[in-house]
Amino acid sequence: DAGVTQSPTHLIKTRGQQVTLRCSPKSGHDTVSWYQQALGQGPQFIFQYYEEEERQRGNFPDRFSGHQFPNYSSELNVNALLLGDSALYLCASSLARGAGQPQHFGDGTRLSIL
Amino acid sequence: QQQVKQSPQSLIVQKGGIPIINCAYENTAFDYFPWYQQFPGKGPALLIAIRPDVSEKKEGRFTISFNKSAKQFSLHIMDSQPGDSATYFCAAKNTGNQFYFGTGTSLTVIP
Repeated sequence: DAGVTQSPTHLIKTRGQQVTLRCSPKSGHDTVSWYQQALGQGPQFIFQYYEEEERQRGNFPDRFSGHQFPNYSSELNVNALLLGDSALYLCASSLARGAGQPQHFGDGTRLSIL
Repeated sequence: QQQVKQSPQSLIVQKGGIPIINCAYENTAFDYFPWYQQFPGKGPALLIAIRPDVSEKKEGRFTISFNKSAKQFSLHIMDSQPGDSATYFCAAKNTGNQFYFGTGTSLTVIP
């Protein structure tokens, strides 16, 4: 049973560039959430996708956008990269139905902005 | 504004000790409270979770105590081992399935 997989594992970009991160959810899961985790901090919610639509959004600028595909996989896009975007980007998947559905995380993509 | 407040920031215990990590929240709409364990270079892994209609939940060496009236919950690790050394995060979910995380507790268990 494959868990949540993310690619790439590491990425180095320069300011102003654009980046796309990818996530495949755990088998059977239909909801994907993205988080930004700065060094020494807890994950901060970016947004959540279900049925190919953005359902919830945290306090992130619209430089951060996403997409969910019919197979439930998802992409996170960040435009006009800033130094402050350097972080670990985590994808988590879950089932939409029912309260208390646990989220399972991937190991993240480490994004470094030079 | 931090939706979930976690303490302490770091904790050092001897092997066999019982570290306790505390979290507090304000939003009474939260309906699910998980704890995650994270090792360096890895994503958070779900340890144990509780719903607000239960005051205590135990899974193996991990116990969550939940005080709904005080809006606080805590994680206890029984018979702690060096392999438990990691960063622990509490979290809370609202009815919109959005999760809010604490700032983390770095636990070191000394052999």
